[in-house]
Amino acid sequence: QKEVEQNSGPLSVPEGAIASLNCTYSDRGSQSFFWYRQYSGKSPELIMSIYSNGDKEDGRFTAQLNKASQYVSLLIRDSQPSDSATYLCAVNAARAGSYQLTFGKGTKLSVIP
Amino acid sequence: DGGITQSPKYLFRKEGQNVTLSCEQNLNHDAMYWYRQDPGQGLRLIYYSQIVNDFQKGDIAEGYSVSREKKESFPLTVTSAQKNPTAFYLCASSGRGGANEQFFGPGTRLTVL
Repeated sequence: QKEVEQNSGPLSVPEGAIASLNCTYSDRGSQSFFWYRQYSGKSPELIMSIYSNGDKEDGRFTAQLNKASQYVSLLIRDSQPSDSATYLCAVNAARAGSYQLTFGKGTKLSVIP
Repeated sequence: DGGITQSPKYLFRKEGQNVTLSCEQNLNHDAMYWYRQDPGQGLRLIYYSQIVNDFQKGDIAEGYSVSREKKESFPLTVTSAQKNPTAFYLCASSGRGGANEQFFGPGTRLTVL
């Protein structure tokens, strides 16, 4: 059974600090990894995609992937109150031609002014 | 503007009624998906379609039905057989290919009275 695990939080960080969100997955053959941000009452918004081991940076966001450890993380630098949201980790199924994503339950982040 | 639209935003259903949720996209995406989100839960896949006139059951298809007569449209019917339909319903789409970045519509919140 495919599983994606995240700490539910809430994770509280002060404004300006680095927020670190973690995700582990069970399907060793997974190839594509995504982070979505979901504000309360709204739909998920794609913020980062990562496909190969290492770091990928986009503005204040850095995604990190370690396939050997089956671990993907999201770092948010200089956290702002507007970053307060639930962050969902999603993993593409390893089957060839599969378009399905498996989502974690999300980590709720609270940035304290 | 390219995007995904869902209607209605809020929907109230009496027990025993079937209701249909609309999802339209103008992104020229081949694949479309329906997810259900319950409070504190991750997204669970109901149905998906990778091409017109073809669709596949997801993890929780019982009590739901879909059609894919046009590339742009993927309506979801919640039937009276769905025992606990109150939830936030999200439609997504993705282009063909390995990246499988999925983009979400704004969602429909269904409440059973």
